[in-house]
Amino acid sequence: QIQLVQSGPELKKPGESLKISCKASGYTFTDYAMQWVKQAPGKGLQYMGWINTQTGKPTYADDFKERFVFSLETSASTAYLQINNLKNEDTATYFCARGTTPAYWGQGTLVTVSS
Amino acid sequence: DVVLTQTPVSLLISLGGQASISCRSSQSLVHSNGNTYLHWYLQKPGQSPQLLIYQVSNRFSGIPDRFSGSGSGTDFTLKISRVEPEDLGVYYCLQRTHNPYTFGAGTKLELK
Repeated sequence: QIQLVQSGPELKKPGESLKISCKASGYTFTDYAMQWVKQAPGKGLQYMGWINTQTGKPTYADDFKERFVFSLETSASTAYLQINNLKNEDTATYFCARGTTPAYWGQGTLVTVSS
Repeated sequence: DVVLTQTPVSLLISLGGQASISCRSSQSLVHSNGNTYLHWYLQKPGQSPQLLIYQVSNRFSGIPDRFSGSGSGTDFTLKISRVEPEDLGVYYCLQRTHNPYTFGAGTKLELK
């Protein structure tokens, strides 16, 4: 069955960096784009952007062009979200989701940024 | 960016009742290819969002026919009939006609 399994929760200090993984199984990884979505505590869903799993080309929504990096390890069917120079407002759950119509979602990775 | 306005913000429904959620777009969601990429999701407490309806009115695999979507252009509606306890949570509309994708702010469905 199709699964997206994300890495575990992270506790970081402001200014640090982190990298979240999203490992796909149950389908051919390069057949579908991978989307990333942010959900701050108690808030709604915010679209971050997507990565073309065939070419590796990322596309970022405006709010996520500066410190956010999408990448792939195609041989491992894994997508990554890296966040640099973490800020308190990056505290959120981050989801990966498969496809141009995001039909399958990872379980989410909770990131807490606190000094 | 396209703004999706969902109403109401919250909905109190009795078990077995019917719920209706509106999603209005700041611009037409008809793509140049003729398709309309407006989708509906349910996020149950503590879970990831799940796709209910794609392209306005198509139920995703395994979604019961109690869920129906309709609309065109800029106005869309999700209806849930015979509400059951597992339908509770926050409903979101998502458009992917225009880049970047955007979500509505969500509608919380609660039991009366």
